Amino acid sequence: ETGVTQSPTHLIKTRGQQVTLRCSSQSGHNTVSWYQQALGQGPQFIFQYYREEENGRGNFPPRFSGLQFPNYSSELNVNALELDDSALYLCASSIGTHNSPLHFGNGTRLTVT
Amino acid sequence: AQRVTQPEKLLSVFKGAPVELKCNYSYSGSPELFWYVQYSRQRLQLLLRHISRESIKGFTADLNKGETSFHLKKPFAQEEDSAMYYCALRIYNQGGKLIFGQGTELSVKP
Repeated sequence: ETGVTQSPTHLIKTRGQQVTLRCSSQSGHNTVSWYQQALGQGPQFIFQYYREEENGRGNFPPRFSGLQFPNYSSELNVNALELDDSALYLCASSIGTHNSPLHFGNGTRLTVT
Repeated sequence: AQRVTQPEKLLSVFKGAPVELKCNYSYSGSPELFWYVQYSRQRLQLLLRHISRESIKGFTADLNKGETSFHLKKPFAQEEDSAMYYCALRIYNQGGKLIFGQGTELSVKP
């Protein structure tokens, strides 16, 4: 069974730039959720994708967007990066949207300078 | 407002001592609660969920709706229990998203 994989592991960007983070879901999982974890905080929900459509969104501005592909992998895009976007970005996959527990990847550490 | 509170950032105990990691939640609906754990240099992983009523690695957690709490307990801590522990609440009308607490770092000393 292949777990959730995220790439890249680390990334450094400059304020105002754009970034794309990638996630491959665990085998058999059709739902992907993205979370932002700032230093010293718990993860915060960004959004969830199910069957290639956004299925729930947290309190993040529109410059945070995503995609899910037919193979259930996903991308998180952030435009016009701000210093406060520096965080660990976690991807989690599950079966369906409600009853299945989330399985997390190792995360992508984004630093915005 | 939907919220999860873990009042202790750090909990330090000696090996063999009992452990209780506190979690309180605020939610008007029917709650589903989880404990996730992150060991050093490992990914966040599910420890247990209240609907399963299991004991995992000696840990248990009981949902107390009257006190809106879901405290994690273990009678005898082991050094390998040292990790970051997060309590999380699932919100069903928003895509099943999880709301996490800030986390408690458990340090078990020999």
